[in-house]
Amino acid sequence: NFMLTQPHSVSESPGKTVTISCTGSSGSVASNFVQWYHQRPGSAPTTVIYEDNQRPSGVPDRFSASIDRSSNSASLTISGLQPEDEGDYYCQTYDNTNQGIFGGGTRLTVL
Amino acid sequence: EVQLLESGGGLVQPGGSLRLSCAASGFMFSSYAMSWVRQPPGKGLEWVSAISGTGTRTYYADSVKGRFTISRDNSNNTMSLQMDRLSADDTAVYFCAKVLRFLGPNALDIWGQGTMVTVSS
Repeated sequence: NFMLTQPHSVSESPGKTVTISCTGSSGSVASNFVQWYHQRPGSAPTTVIYEDNQRPSGVPDRFSASIDRSSNSASLTISGLQPEDEGDYYCQTYDNTNQGIFGGGTRLTVL
Repeated sequence: EVQLLESGGGLVQPGGSLRLSCAASGFMFSSYAMSWVRQPPGKGLEWVSAISGTGTRTYYADSVKGRFTISRDNSNNTMSLQMDRLSADDTAVYFCAKVLRFLGPNALDIWGQGTMVTVSS
């Protein structure tokens, strides 16, 4: 079964830049669009990136994402880190049977 | 304002059934697929199911296939998830989510606040 693997946690200082990776277990991460969701403790997720690199309205351009076919991975980059960026980030895509797949999530701590 | 409001969660015994509902407002409901995502306590997100805008296409995670049934009523802007033969592994917060496109396998762009389902004797 297709899986997405994320680092368990990352941390960085305010104002700095952090990148969270999301690696596909097989096949190609580039086969279907990848999304990124942010979840603060006790709250519902919100969408920060959809269709590989598109930002919903209201999401600051400090958030960007890309696909690296050579490493079969997707990446979310957050620049100018702010305290409100803390929380869990999940990558998500669909497999070839149209089932949704989430990565295990990455806890971002803004030191 | 786009809003999604889940209801129907609660405590149910193993082997029992529960029906979740999601009431949508603020957008053309029938033009978008809808989805359910769950999150066990202290764990990550798990995609559960999706349904196309017309309701003719449905999609399920292997873990719930044959036990859960997703449906929608476009005349009342509601989506439902009928959950049968529940087990402790189904204990989770269940989120309703709007899909960005008409068909199911697409990005989730709006999320509800979730409803808790606890399966325990």
